[in-house]
Order: sequence, then structure tokens, then C-alpha cells
Amino acid sequence: AQSVTQLDSHVSVSEGTPVLLRCNYSSSYSPSLFWYVQHPNKGLQLLLKYTSAATLVKGINGFEAEFKKSETSFHLTKPSAHMSDAAEYFCVVTGGPGYSTLTFGKGTMLLVSP
Amino acid sequence: KAGVTQTPRYLIKTRGQQVTLSCSPISGHRSVSWYQQTPGQGLQFLFEYFSETQRNKGNFPGRFSGRQFSNSRSEMNVSTLELGDSALYLCASSFGPQDRWTTEAFFGQGTRLTVV
Repeated sequence: AQSVTQLDSHVSVSEGTPVLLRCNYSSSYSPSLFWYVQHPNKGLQLLLKYTSAATLVKGINGFEAEFKKSETSFHLTKPSAHMSDAAEYFCVVTGGPGYSTLTFGKGTMLLVSP
Repeated sequence: KAGVTQTPRYLIKTRGQQVTLSCSPISGHRSVSWYQQTPGQGLQFLFEYFSETQRNKGNFPGRFSGRQFSNSRSEMNVSTLELGDSALYLCASSFGPQDRWTTEAFFGQGTRLTVV
């Protein structure tokens, strides 16, 4: 089976400070991994994706994530938070045969204070 | 290029009624998946359609059904609505089937269903 664990349900940062949202995954196969962001009353927007190319993945709005197979992690980072980053973030995994769906983590709410 | 369009955006239904939600994928995309999002359960997979065939189904009762048309548009239907069906229903569109080779899925803004 495949699964995703987002280690923090809420993360609070001050504007201008670094952001770290943690995600661990479990998959029987080499997975594809994604981070999506959801602003209030909006759909999900893809931030970045890992599909077995470079392990350091750069996404939109200054976000990046590093795939670490030995740690089964795919943490999302940003050097400097902006107020507009306040939203809910989802780590997502899709696996191999028989696991053709997207499996979502429970989400991490990012709060950014001035 | 138009995104994924879900209609209606909001619905209020009474227990016992049925409801149909619609999703128009991005032009050229052949895969449509449906997800239910609730505060308690998060995002849960309902089903996926690719080229008019259901490829996969999540762990939901038979009251939840769907279909896909030849133009890739998809509908999902919920019969005999229960209070617990109140949720945001999201549709995702991708070019190919959603599997380990999926590059990305594009989501619509969702349909907010309230059952009273």
C-alpha cells in the first residue's frame, strides 16, 4: 500500500522567515510525489512534482522540495515566507500498478504572521 | 487554455435526495478523478475514469456513482443523500491515466455540497 504522513497539522512562521513542511511517504514502488496548495474556498494548485528525475525539485512561488529515498521524505521548504503563502498544503503520492490513484496527506495549515 | 470546470459551485440538498455534479476536464485530457474533501477525513479518492471506463474506485458506498462521456466530461451522482455527504467534491483532470507515470493532475475549484 502507499501512504503519506504530514508530520505537522499546523505550522506558524513570521513573514520573511524560512518555511519547512514535513512529509514522509510509504510506497512499494518508486513513487511520484507532489505538493499541492489550497487557498480558502479554492481548488488545489500544483506547487511542484518529483517524478524520478532530479531529487531537488523547484516549484512555483519560490518553493522547493528534496526527495530523500533513504529517509522516505519529501519535505517542502521556502527560504522566506510571504503573507500570501498562508494556505493548506498537501503532500501527495502516486505509486505503481494497483495504486494508480493520488493518495493525499492530511494537510498542513501554514499560518504566516506579520 | 481553460482549466477544469466544475458545476455547480454550491449545492444545498435535503436528506434522501439525489444530486449530480459535473466536471469538464482540460481540453485533451482523458482522465477524470473525483475526490471528497471533509474536515475530518481529508481528501479521499472516489473514482477515476479514463476514456469512458472506470479504472479505479475508492472505498465509498454504492450510492456514489459516476460516468464519463465521449468528450471526457464526467458526472458523479450521489443518491439517497445523508448528512455525512456534506463535503467539497473535487475533480481532477490529467492527460493520461493517474498512475506512477502521472506528471500532474489539475484540479477544479470544487462543488460545495451541503445536505440538510
